[in-house]
Amino acid sequence: EAGVTQSPTHLIKTRGQQATLRCSPISGHTSVYWYQQALGLGLQFLLWYDEGEERNRGNFPPRFSGRQFPNYSSELNVNALELEDSALYLCASSFGQRSSPLHFGNGTRLTVT
Amino acid sequence: DAKTTQPTSMDCAEGRAANLPCNHSTISGNEYVYWYRQIHSQGPQYIIHGLKNNETNEMASLIITEDRKSSTLILPHATLRDTAVYYCIVRPSAGYALNFGKGTSLLVTP
Repeated sequence: EAGVTQSPTHLIKTRGQQATLRCSPISGHTSVYWYQQALGLGLQFLLWYDEGEERNRGNFPPRFSGRQFPNYSSELNVNALELEDSALYLCASSFGQRSSPLHFGNGTRLTVT
Repeated sequence: DAKTTQPTSMDCAEGRAANLPCNHSTISGNEYVYWYRQIHSQGPQYIIHGLKNNETNEMASLIITEDRKSSTLILPHATLRDTAVYYCIVRPSAGYALNFGKGTSLLVTP
């Protein structure tokens, strides 16, 4: 079974630019979650999508946005990049039940210069 | 959300059982306990989860106290590759996202 895949592995952007990160969930999973892990900090919940709808959002500004496509893959967009956005961005997927565990990809390392 | 408390760090000798405790005294009756681990610069790896009963899989065992206020993750025969940060998480009943705390940094030594 293929795991959660994320692309690109690394991304370097300049302050003020936009970044797009992509995630393909495990086959059969309908929920996708996005997390941010800045260096030396914990995982912070960003967004949760299920069946194409945004279900929940963490404490992040509106310039962090995303969407989920009909095939359940997902994009995370970060507009007007700031230096503090440099972090590992992790995507996870699960079945759409509360007892279903999240399975994580290995992330996209975003560096903002 | 129910808060969890874990020791900051623990050591374990290779080949011995690693017992990682977690306190979740404010857990609600329908909230699950999840355990994950993260090896440096990789995504968190799911280990095990449970509601009331003890659970076992190929990776670990989860022991939940009868009052559900605490749990213990047991790695029966720790190896050097088990060195990681281990997170105990209580999944909220509303909203399915997991809220990661600081976890326990487990060091397995030869």
